[in-house]
Amino acid sequence: AQSVTQLDSHVSVSEGTPVLLRCNYSSSYSPSLFWYVQHPNKGLQLLLKYTSAATLVKGINGFEAEFKKSETSFHLTKPSAHMSDAAEYFCVARTGGFKTIFGAGTRLFVKA
Amino acid sequence: GAGVSQSPRYKVTKRGQDVALRCDPISGHVSLYWYRQALGQGPEFLTYFNYEAQQDKSGLPNDRFSAERPEGSISTLTIQRTEQRDSAMYRCASSLNSGGLYEQYFGPGTRLTVT
Repeated sequence: AQSVTQLDSHVSVSEGTPVLLRCNYSSSYSPSLFWYVQHPNKGLQLLLKYTSAATLVKGINGFEAEFKKSETSFHLTKPSAHMSDAAEYFCVARTGGFKTIFGAGTRLFVKA
Repeated sequence: GAGVSQSPRYKVTKRGQDVALRCDPISGHVSLYWYRQALGQGPEFLTYFNYEAQQDKSGLPNDRFSAERPEGSISTLTIQRTEQRDSAMYRCASSLNSGGLYEQYFGPGTRLTVT
């Protein structure tokens, strides 16, 4: 069975410092992997996606993620956090075309 | 419209009542998905459609839940005889097609509260 594990339920960083949100997946097949962001009272927005092309994927707002098959990981990073990055982030896996599995989410806090 | 819309945005109902939640996908999108998101958790897959055909309903929790998309556009998720445990955010998404390459665009959700 496929699953997505986000290793931290909460991450707190200071503005201007790096962000690391961790995600591990398990799947019998090579999945497509995504990161979504959810700001309060707003819908889910796609940050980036991996679909078996380049293993380092760049997304919007300076975020990027690296697919590491040997570690079954797809961690999300950003070199320098902004206050506007405070939100909830979801790691998502899709296999078999349609079945979509969300992680439990990581809430990012950014301190001034 | 420009994005996925859902209505109502908020619904409060009494236990035992039926509710119908509507999703209007992006025009031209073949695939439509329903998710349920409990507080503090990630969205959980319920069901999905390609055009009007329901391709998978394995995520529907029980037979009180049903969904339809009769003309391959607007979809309705119906919950019969609601229970308090049905309280959650119900999210709809659509995509151009159903392959893993296609981004899912999410609506704002319907917050259902069963009292």
